[in-house]
Amino acid sequence: KQEVTQIPAALSVPEGENLVLNCSFTDSAIYNLQWFRQDPGKGLTSLLLIQSSQREQTSGRLNASLDKSSGRSTLYIAASQPGDSATYLCAVLFTGNQFYFGTGTSLTVIP
Amino acid sequence: DTGVSQDPRHKITKRGQNVTFRCDPISEHNRLYWYRQTLGQGPEFLTYFQNEAQLEKSRLLSDRFSAERPKGSFSTLEIQRTEQGDSAMYLCASGNRGSTEAFFGQGTRLTVV
Repeated sequence: KQEVTQIPAALSVPEGENLVLNCSFTDSAIYNLQWFRQDPGKGLTSLLLIQSSQREQTSGRLNASLDKSSGRSTLYIAASQPGDSATYLCAVLFTGNQFYFGTGTSLTVIP
Repeated sequence: DTGVSQDPRHKITKRGQNVTFRCDPISEHNRLYWYRQTLGQGPEFLTYFQNEAQLEKSRLLSDRFSAERPKGSFSTLEIQRTEQGDSAMYLCASGNRGSTEAFFGQGTRLTVV
């Protein structure tokens, strides 16, 4: 069964800290992995897409890594800001056409 | 183009009524997805279109649910005889040919009372 797990479920950090969010998946045969941000009551905003052939992607203060052999991805956020407070979702495209989502990590950055 | 557009943003309906949601994907995106998200959970796949063809449906998509994409552009999701368990956020996403990246809309929040 294809599953995606995110740990921790919630995280609270003081402003300025660097932090890491974790995503694990059950099958190493993936097409890609995508990280999203979701604000309360809103849709999903794409942050980073990592293709199966890639090891990492960077956008500004965000860096996502992918290790297919261990079934893991991490999202690294540098110098966190209160505006980073949101839920972060990991989505994996295995074979087929559907993305499998984790339940997300709810991040609170305290000013 | 401002991204994937969903209408309405919120819908409150009485149990047993039918509802229809609309999704306008990013222009020229040939892939379109519908997902459902309940509170505290990640989105769950409902169905997938490539152009006008519905290529994949989840077991979650019971016979009360139907989705269409008649001209390969906008899509509609209809729920018949709504139940309280249908209360959720319904999300639409689209993707371009040659790319596996998905772009989501703001969702339609359905409340069945």
